[in-house]
Amino acid sequence: GDSVTQMEGPVTLSEEAFLTINCTYTATGYPSLFWYVQYPGEGLQLLLKATKADDKGSNKGFEATYRKETTSFHLEKGSVQVSDSAVYFCALRDSSTGNQFYFGTGTSLTVIP
Amino acid sequence: NAGVTQTPKFRILKIGQSMTLQCTQDMNHNYMYWYRQDPGMGLKLIYYSVGAGITDKGEVPNGYNVSRSTTEDFPLRLELAAPSQTSVYFCASFGGKEGGREQYFGPGTRLTVT
Repeated sequence: GDSVTQMEGPVTLSEEAFLTINCTYTATGYPSLFWYVQYPGEGLQLLLKATKADDKGSNKGFEATYRKETTSFHLEKGSVQVSDSAVYFCALRDSSTGNQFYFGTGTSLTVIP
Repeated sequence: NAGVTQTPKFRILKIGQSMTLQCTQDMNHNYMYWYRQDPGMGLKLIYYSVGAGITDKGEVPNGYNVSRSTTEDFPLRLELAAPSQTSVYFCASFGGKEGGREQYFGPGTRLTVT
């Protein structure tokens, strides 16, 4: 079945450090891939997405590239800010399974000044 | 658009009580979902719906029921609440124009069963 595995946290970085959160997936079809962000006490918000192999999603300085050969969708940001502190979820949507979404366990990021 | 709204925001139940979590979306999306989020466990799909009148079980449906009588509403029913159902519950809808479709989440309901 479909699944998402992402890097466990928590991750603590200093402001302006480089961020990588690893995400790999298993899917039966040709999934779309997503990164969501959750701030304390709130629901999930879409951060970026990629719908086919080699697509790069980007938003607010974050990037992730859909790598079919390595079944990966790693999240990166060149210089994190304190306001980036949140929980990040990798997810996939498989249209062959009724558009169900499958989420990773989440990675908590704390950025310190 | 209000997006996806959920009520209540917080609730404390005693073991064996029942309740309904309400979810409404105003984006005319066909797909709707209920998830639970336990600490460190990510989101688990409880039930989902691909349109009015159609529902299907997700990964963790036991102890829950849903209905989808309209496109807008997708209530989640808890019968005989148990401590294991203590969690944060998120409703979501999925839709939009081709190429721009995405999932929208409600703010969540924090449920404690004691």
